[in-house]
Amino acid sequence: QVQLQESGPGLVKPSETLSLTCTVSGGSISSYYWTWIRQPPGKGLEWIGYIYNSGTYSGTTNYNPSLKSRVTMSLDTSKKQFSLKLSSVTAADTAVYYCARRVVVVIANSYYYYMDVWGKGTTVTVSS
Amino acid sequence: DIHMTQSPSSRSASVGDRVTITCRASQSISRQLNWYQQKPGKAPKLLIYAASSLQSGVPSRFSGSGSGTEFTLTINSLQPEDLATYYCQQSYSPPNTFGQGTRLEIK
Repeated sequence: QVQLQESGPGLVKPSETLSLTCTVSGGSISSYYWTWIRQPPGKGLEWIGYIYNSGTYSGTTNYNPSLKSRVTMSLDTSKKQFSLKLSSVTAADTAVYYCARRVVVVIANSYYYYMDVWGKGTTVTVSS
Repeated sequence: DIHMTQSPSSRSASVGDRVTITCRASQSISRQLNWYQQKPGKAPKLLIYAASSLQSGVPSRFSGSGSGTEFTLTINSLQPEDLATYYCQQSYSPPNTFGQGTRLEIK
């Protein structure tokens, strides 16, 4: 059974870079989209983006335009890990950060995407 | 970005009730709509994908319907463990936006 585990500092200073890693266990890191989502305290879910790992298109990314200038995602297939970096953080970046696996299925000749496995989440606080 | 709006924002219901949550998209998203359940202090869990397909292991009292811009999540015979916040998410185009959530309370 595939499991995901986020790791990284719980406290980051304003203007610095937030760095998180998600480790995949119990399954392959290949042929999936690996996604980051965050949830500010008491608020809803925000999609940050994904990195794709499959063949020729490995490393392809898609970021939320609202964060695109500050986000970088990467893969380390040898360690079965993918990572998120968010630069120039402010208090507004304080949130629980989740990693998730995005899968694709074909139903009646149409492609459908959804996140079927999630990590437990890690809390990141931006404060001096 | 595609804007997703859920209604109601909160709902209180009794065990055994039938509960319906609506999700509307700001433009047509075909059937590219997923539903997630988030219990307090936990990560979201996938319930429904492709508008109406039940994720493996999810109780059959959960069902989804809709296409285009309007979608519904229905919980038949509400159970105490269904206390949670429910989110819709569109997977039609990035950014894959979520609704604001519907908090479901058990009377």
